[in-house]
Amino acid sequence: AIQMTQSPSSLSASVGDRVTITCRASQGIGHDLGWFQQEPGKAPKGLIYETSNLYSGVPSRFSANGSGTDFVFTISSLQPEDFATYYCLQDYSWPWTFGQGTQVDMK
Amino acid sequence: QVKLLESGGGVVQPGGSLRLSCAASGFRFSDYGMHWVRQAPGRGLEWVTFIRFNGTKTFYADSVKGRFTISRDNAKDTLYLQMTSLRAEDTGLYFCATSRLDYWGQGIVVTVSS
Repeated sequence: AIQMTQSPSSLSASVGDRVTITCRASQGIGHDLGWFQQEPGKAPKGLIYETSNLYSGVPSRFSANGSGTDFVFTISSLQPEDFATYYCLQDYSWPWTFGQGTQVDMK
Repeated sequence: QVKLLESGGGVVQPGGSLRLSCAASGFRFSDYGMHWVRQAPGRGLEWVTFIRFNGTKTFYADSVKGRFTISRDNAKDTLYLQMTSLRAEDTGLYFCATSRLDYWGQGIVVTVSS
């Protein structure tokens, strides 16, 4: 199975900060990567699919890019509702695999 | 609107079995593949299994292969997860989700403990 490694595992930031999370795949996955947000006790929410496409209704402060093995997810200006845990997911090959998650909390 | 409602969770002894259900509404269920994703307490998300829209193909995580079976009844708009030979490490919150992972249920708790 393809291993997905996210970094950092956690970060502290303030409202208005630019936040960047990276995800590295153990082998090339083309552009088959998505990003998800999860608040404690809630179902995950899809933010981005196919590396850089926003799901419907997702604010434009969320963006991402990359290809092959290295991907970057960015929140351009952190908002209060963005404090959560973020996961990358490869859907290039079965079994699909998530990164271990990045917890974004308040500085 | 799209709704996914899981049921069937509970407490089961190691080695036991449990069947989860996911009732779908608000969309044409028979047109979409479906996933199960789980989350152990305090841990990250783990993709578990997927079934194609017509049930002809399924895929599993290595951790559940041979023990879990995904199935669906398109006439009842319902997805299932049959779990056997359950282990403590199968404890967690189980979510069903649509093929693009754009819609999720609220999750159902499974606890494997003696």
